[in-house]
Amino acid sequence: AQSVTQLGSHVSVSEGALVLLRCNYSSSVPPYLFWYVQYPNQGLQLLLKYTSAATLVKGINGFEAEFKKSETSFHLTKPSAHMSDAAEYFCAVSDGGTSYGKLTFGQGTILTVHP
Amino acid sequence: NAGVTQTPKFQVLKTGQSMTLQCAQDMNHNSMYWYRQDPGMGLRLIYYSASEGTTDKGEVPNGYNVSRLNKREFSLRLESAAPSQTSVYFCASSEGTLHTDTQYFGPGTRLTVL
Repeated sequence: AQSVTQLGSHVSVSEGALVLLRCNYSSSVPPYLFWYVQYPNQGLQLLLKYTSAATLVKGINGFEAEFKKSETSFHLTKPSAHMSDAAEYFCAVSDGGTSYGKLTFGQGTILTVHP
Repeated sequence: NAGVTQTPKFQVLKTGQSMTLQCAQDMNHNSMYWYRQDPGMGLRLIYYSASEGTTDKGEVPNGYNVSRLNKREFSLRLESAAPSQTSVYFCASSEGTLHTDTQYFGPGTRLTVL
């Protein structure tokens, strides 16, 4: 069975600073990995996904993530934080086994951006 | 396109009451899902429907039932609500069941059981 661990339930950065949200996964088969964002009182929206085509994945709003098999990681980064990035971010994994289409989510990381 | 819609947005129940959460999608997706979100626990899958006419249990199905009414609609029923079912419920849909398919989420239903 797959699992996801997001390191840090809260991350705080200043506007213009680097954003780094950490995600490590556990999967017995090659994983498919996703980052979703949830703005206050809204549903989840896909930021980006890794589907084995390229290890560096670019998403919306300037975010990107790099799949590192040796580290079982899929950390999310953005070079310069904006106030509008304040939200909760979820890493999720869909393993390549029999549980097709079913996502396992991490516990989420709340990003706060200070002016 | 409205995407995925959910009703109601908010609901307060007393212990033992029943209710049905409605979900509909207009993207002609085959697969639909119900999740619950609790603080510090991410989202957990309750039930899913890979295609019209099929439903399967997810990680936390106890206390819930679902109906895939047609391709567009997927409802979640609480027969006898308990305080432990206080949560935010999200419906999602995807084109199919490929591992790479993106799931699209509705705005959620915030349920409180007293």
